[in-house]
Amino acid sequence: DQQVKQNSPSLSVQEGRISILNCDYTNSMFDYFLWYKKYPAEGPTFLISISSIKDKNEDGRFTVFLNKSAKHLSLHIVPSQPGDSAVYFCAASDTGNQFYFGTGTSLTVIP
Amino acid sequence: NAGVTQTPKFRVLKTGQSMTLLCAQDMNHEYMYWYRQDPGMGLRLIHYSVGEGTTAKGEVPDGYNVSRLKKQNFLLGLESAAPSQTSVYFCASSYGGGAAEQFFGPGTRLTVL
Repeated sequence: DQQVKQNSPSLSVQEGRISILNCDYTNSMFDYFLWYKKYPAEGPTFLISISSIKDKNEDGRFTVFLNKSAKHLSLHIVPSQPGDSAVYFCAASDTGNQFYFGTGTSLTVIP
Repeated sequence: NAGVTQTPKFRVLKTGQSMTLLCAQDMNHEYMYWYRQDPGMGLRLIHYSVGEGTTAKGEVPDGYNVSRLKKQNFLLGLESAAPSQTSVYFCASSYGGGAAEQFFGPGTRLTVL
């Protein structure tokens, strides 16, 4: 059973607008959350992380929000750029050793 | 710095054959991981290591073995390949656990006929 879910397989956004990617999880023990970006034929690259002691973490154009009561996190990209077009994965862990990944959301930023 | 490298990049095996995938990192990371990615499944953890000489099972360890004899290398072995092991395999490393960034290699595309 999938412990981390990304229910939107794809998302299209106009350049300059906000992209919001969502992730839900089922295990209330998860304390560590990471977002990765992946281009075709490459390995994932780290974007941003958050631990359960915080509800928001910001890094430049990327902000991750965590709502533990709803078991939901989201990644906001503002402003969106064509180079952001990629597949985005969220991942979660309770111990910080074994991470469970979602199935990914393919983001297309339209120039 | 090369970061995380994986050997080979592509491989075709016949059912029952064996092979070893090599992962190397030059960042002096303690933690190393092996994942597989299948269509529609995201990445799933096969095995991981929290330091030289240690290994632990992940989410989908059956049919695979690993070794971490040197800190910089993490080997993934398939003793008797099966078509269900056709996948893209990614290795990753990090300096620690928790929310530490994992650095991924470029992947190995394995096909088992």
